[in-house]
Amino acid sequence: DQQVKQNSPSLSVQEGRISILNCDYTNSMFDYFLWYKKYPAEGPTFLISISSIKDKNEDGRFTVFLNKSAKHLSLHIVPSQPGDSAVYFCAAKILGSYQLTFGKGTKLSVIP
Amino acid sequence: DAGITQSPRHKVTETGTPVTLRCHQTENHRYMYWYRQDPGHGLRLIHYSYGVKDTDKGEVSDGYSVSRSKTEDFLLTLESATSSQTSVYFCAISESGGTQYFGPGTRLLVL
Repeated sequence: DQQVKQNSPSLSVQEGRISILNCDYTNSMFDYFLWYKKYPAEGPTFLISISSIKDKNEDGRFTVFLNKSAKHLSLHIVPSQPGDSAVYFCAAKILGSYQLTFGKGTKLSVIP
Repeated sequence: DAGITQSPRHKVTETGTPVTLRCHQTENHRYMYWYRQDPGHGLRLIHYSYGVKDTDKGEVSDGYSVSRSKTEDFLLTLESATSSQTSVYFCAISESGGTQYFGPGTRLLVL
């Protein structure tokens, strides 16, 4: 039973345009959400997070939006750069737990 | 980057042999985790630790054991390696049990 779903295995975007990566979850007990970026042959790198008490969090070119009623979050990258080409993982945590549940990832390709 | 190292970075072994992977941190974080990453599966939790000598199972713990005798070290042991354990293994640490920071990974091939 996959509790965190990234339904798009891959996404291609032109440099300078917006990249939107989506994530859906099924467990209403999740209260903290994170995005990680992973380059080949490296470990995942923490990118940005959001608590369930917020609906938006911004950090430079990266913004995460949370829609609790739809159990949906998205990561917006504006403007997209070739260096953003990587696999992006969505993750979620239940209140009081210290485990993360990860999605299967979306491979973003930013075309120069 | 958080101070996390993993050793070895690459290993080739034969089916039936024991294998131990090491994760070392210099951040004094309480929580440590072992994941495996496989195509089509994302990151799956094997075991985790919430303190010295305090460990628990994750989603895919069968065939794996762990030990944590010091805050800075978390060992993952494959008692008798199988080909299905060929994977990339990542260690992660967390100060409060929230955001996790990952090591560079160990690529394991079981022949």
